[in-house]
Amino acid sequence: GENVEQHPSTLSVQEGDSAVIKCTYSDSASNYFPWYKQELGKGPQLIIDIRSNVGEKKDQRIAVTLNKTAKHFSLHITETQPEDSAVYFCAASLPTGNQFYFGTGTSLTVIP
Amino acid sequence: KAGVTQTPRYLIKTRGQQVTLSCSPISGHRSVSWYQQTPGQGLQFLFEYFSETQRNKGNFPGRFSGRQFSNSRSEMNVSTLELGDSALYLCASSGGQVLNTEAFFGQGTRLTVV
Repeated sequence: GENVEQHPSTLSVQEGDSAVIKCTYSDSASNYFPWYKQELGKGPQLIIDIRSNVGEKKDQRIAVTLNKTAKHFSLHITETQPEDSAVYFCAASLPTGNQFYFGTGTSLTVIP
Repeated sequence: KAGVTQTPRYLIKTRGQQVTLSCSPISGHRSVSWYQQTPGQGLQFLFEYFSETQRNKGNFPGRFSGRQFSNSRSEMNVSTLELGDSALYLCASSGGQVLNTEAFFGQGTRLTVV
């Protein structure tokens, strides 16, 4: 099955700086890559996603890039704010249904 | 539009008992997936239901089962509970005809087995 690796496991940045989280996947048939933000006591919240026919997608301060050849994708958060502090998960999905393979998560702390 | 609703939010059960968790997806969504989240194993896929049929299944023992009703609401059942079943159980709702698409999670049911 698909295997998704995520780095780093923890990340601390100063408010206003950028944060980058990287993921790799193993199955070249995966074609959908969502990113989720999970705050304490809540379920994961979809923040951005990308399909394999697109190399980059941006939504305000958040962007995701995908390199199909290298089988890796990254989340970029610019101008970080304290409310960005949370655990972020990447995921990959095959075109067989809504079964997501998740990375192990990155705990992001934005220091005011 | 209402989000994904999971009930109950918290459960405490004794080892050996069984438990049923419920999930109401976003209105119009026909796909419901279930995940187990633990500190050690992270988010692991249990199963997905689409139009009352199990479409995908993860690598969990047969003690874990689920079903989906005609109104797309879903239940999952865990029989003969073990201490290791203590986890946050999350339900995700997806709509549309695309096989893999945006999934929206509920707040989860926190199950504690004692």
